[in-house]
Amino acid sequence: EAGVTQSPTHLIKTRGQQATLRCSPISGHTSVYWYQQALGLGLQFLLWYDEGEERNRGNFPPRFSGRQFPNYSSELNVNALELEDSALYLCASSPYFHYEQYFGPGTRLTVT
Amino acid sequence: AQSVAQPEDQVNVAEGNPLTVKCTYSVSGNPYLFWYVQYPNRGLQFLLKYITGDNLVKGSYGFEAEFNKSQTSFHLKKPSALVSDSALYFCAVSRASGDYKLSFGAGTTVTVRA
Repeated sequence: EAGVTQSPTHLIKTRGQQATLRCSPISGHTSVYWYQQALGLGLQFLLWYDEGEERNRGNFPPRFSGRQFPNYSSELNVNALELEDSALYLCASSPYFHYEQYFGPGTRLTVT
Repeated sequence: AQSVAQPEDQVNVAEGNPLTVKCTYSVSGNPYLFWYVQYPNRGLQFLLKYITGDNLVKGSYGFEAEFNKSQTSFHLKKPSALVSDSALYFCAVSRASGDYKLSFGAGTTVTVRA
C-alpha cells in the first residue's frame, strides 16, 4: 500500500511570493491534515480537510489556505511568504472517524 | 485547549538497557494519545495509540506505552533499546469528542549508544 506522498520535496521561494504544496493521501483515506514543523516551534496543526471541506483550522493567518480535490488529494497555499514561513510542511491522512494519522515525508519550504 | 509536555529534551541510554520517554497531557474530556517517531529529514511514523481499554498499549518495533489517567501521563517504553531506536519521538493528544486535531509535544531526542 502506497503511503502519503508530498510534492515537491524542496521548495525555495522569495519573500512575498506564493508557495503551493501538494499532498496525496493513502488510498481510501478521506481526511487530510497539514502541519508546520518550524525550528524552535515544534509541530503545529494548520488545517484539516475532509470530503472536500475545511473542517478545522489552526492558529495561522488567512494567507495559509488550501483545498481538497474530489480524489481527496490536497493543496496548501501560502501567500505573501515571510521568512518565518520557512519550515517543513507535513501532510497526514486518515479515514474519517479514524484516530491515527499517517504522515508523508514533508515539503521543506525555504523563504529567502 | 489541549497540550502535551515532554519534560526531557534528550534521553541517552546504552544499547540493551530499558528506554523510557516521558509524556504528560492536558485535554478536556477523554484523551486519545499517540506516539510518533521521526528520523532525520523524514516524516513522522506512527508507533502506537491509546483510545480506550487496557492501560498498557503495545505498538510497533517493540515499543509500548502506559496510560495513567490519574497522573495524566502516557510514557513510552522499550525493554531493550537498539542503536536504531535513536530518533526524535513525539507524543500527541486529541480530544475524544472528535475534532481530530493533534497537538504535539516538543519532542524528545533519543540517543542509544552502542
